[in-house]
Amino acid sequence: QVQLVQSGSELKKPGASVKVSCKASGYTFTSYAMNWVRQAPGQGLEWMGWINTNTGNPTYAQGFTGRFVFSLDTSVSTAYLQISSLKAEDTAVYYCARVGDGNWFDPWGQGTLVTVSS
Amino acid sequence: QSALTQPPSASGSPGQSVTISCTGTSSDVGGYNYVSWYQQHPGKAPKLMIYEVSKRPSGVPDRFSGSKSGNTASLTVSGLQAEDEADYYCSSYTSSSTLVFGGGTKLTVL
Repeated sequence: QVQLVQSGSELKKPGASVKVSCKASGYTFTSYAMNWVRQAPGQGLEWMGWINTNTGNPTYAQGFTGRFVFSLDTSVSTAYLQISSLKAEDTAVYYCARVGDGNWFDPWGQGTLVTVSS
Repeated sequence: QSALTQPPSASGSPGQSVTISCTGTSSDVGGYNYVSWYQQHPGKAPKLMIYEVSKRPSGVPDRFSGSKSGNTASLTVSGLQAEDEADYYCSSYTSSSTLVFGGGTKLTVL
């Protein structure tokens, strides 16, 4: 079945970097774009942007430029989210989600909790 | 891109129907039939419930339906059941070739 499996929770200090992985299975990885969504504690969903899995070209939403980088390793059907210069306000659950032709998110990864604390 | 507007909360008794609205602009909800709805239970990943305004993925009960009028989309849950208690989010494609979510609605089954 189509599935996205993300890497485990991370605890980082302010100023550090983190790389979250999202491994896809059950479909042709390069046939669908991969999106990233952030959910801060007790808050709603926030679209971070997406990466074209054919070309590797990323698109970042407002507020997610500079410290956020989307990347791919198509040989292992995996997308990555890297966040540098971490701040306390980056504490959140980060989801990857495949996007269909009609711009709907399905499926979703299980989420990765990134906690930034000194 | 501003978030789409949803009511923070909605409620209904078992068996009743409840409708959740999602208001945007002509640059997102009103301009495209690319509105989708997601259900999220506490501590879980969101789940697609409706896509392209009114289509239901396989496995989603037909108690869930979607519609759109102008710049406002709606999700209706009929025959409310206890397991429908969750947060619901709408999403839309935008004229900037981006995607945007609503702020979310907490549905309580009384």
